[in-house]
Amino acid sequence: SAVISQKPSRDICQRGTSLTIQCQVDSQVTMMFWYRQQPGQSLTLIATANQGSEATYESGFVIDKFPISRPNLTFSTLTVSNMSPEDSSIYLCSVGADPYEQYFGPGTRLTVT
Amino acid sequence: GENVEQHPSTLSVQEGDSAVIKCTYSDSASNYFPWYKQELGKRPQLIIDIRSNVGEKKDQRIAVTLNKTAKHFSLHITETQPEDSAVYFCAASNAGNMLTFGGGTRLMVKP
Repeated sequence: SAVISQKPSRDICQRGTSLTIQCQVDSQVTMMFWYRQQPGQSLTLIATANQGSEATYESGFVIDKFPISRPNLTFSTLTVSNMSPEDSSIYLCSVGADPYEQYFGPGTRLTVT
Repeated sequence: GENVEQHPSTLSVQEGDSAVIKCTYSDSASNYFPWYKQELGKRPQLIIDIRSNVGEKKDQRIAVTLNKTAKHFSLHITETQPEDSAVYFCAASNAGNMLTFGGGTRLMVKP
């Protein structure tokens, strides 16, 4: 399976600021996704990162709060904007492998103070 | 949209016993059902999956069963070991790799 890396692995940020998380894959993949995992909770899909077009957001997530870029088939970024303590979570990118499997990056642990 | 429910939320077993985790899904169009294991501080790891054209799949000590009529699927772990202790998530997908996750089960295997 593909090797997936994320940067940063963790960060502590002040409320009102923004953080951009990077996801890098060692091979070209068609599907990339961003998930949020709040403390002690399950995984919730934020959006599908589409290469060359706007991301597709799930209900409850909006582009102004979570802008996503996907400039090519190996890289994507997720920005968490105007952060509040409620944004403290683990953010995970994942990639889809044909035809169904999905593999996760190591995650970014975000704490907002 | 899809809704996946997972039970139990916590499960404690003695080493060597079997563990069973059950999930139900709502969308009859779902056709792919993976299970992930997440150890503390680690990423979710795909451990086994099943597609809708199969009723059962085994991989060493783990197995998954699927009942499409009842819309439920289960993870079975036999001969549990302390290293099986983790949080397990089921998920369902009906298209394009988009996964809907269950709430998770914290499995504790007591030595």
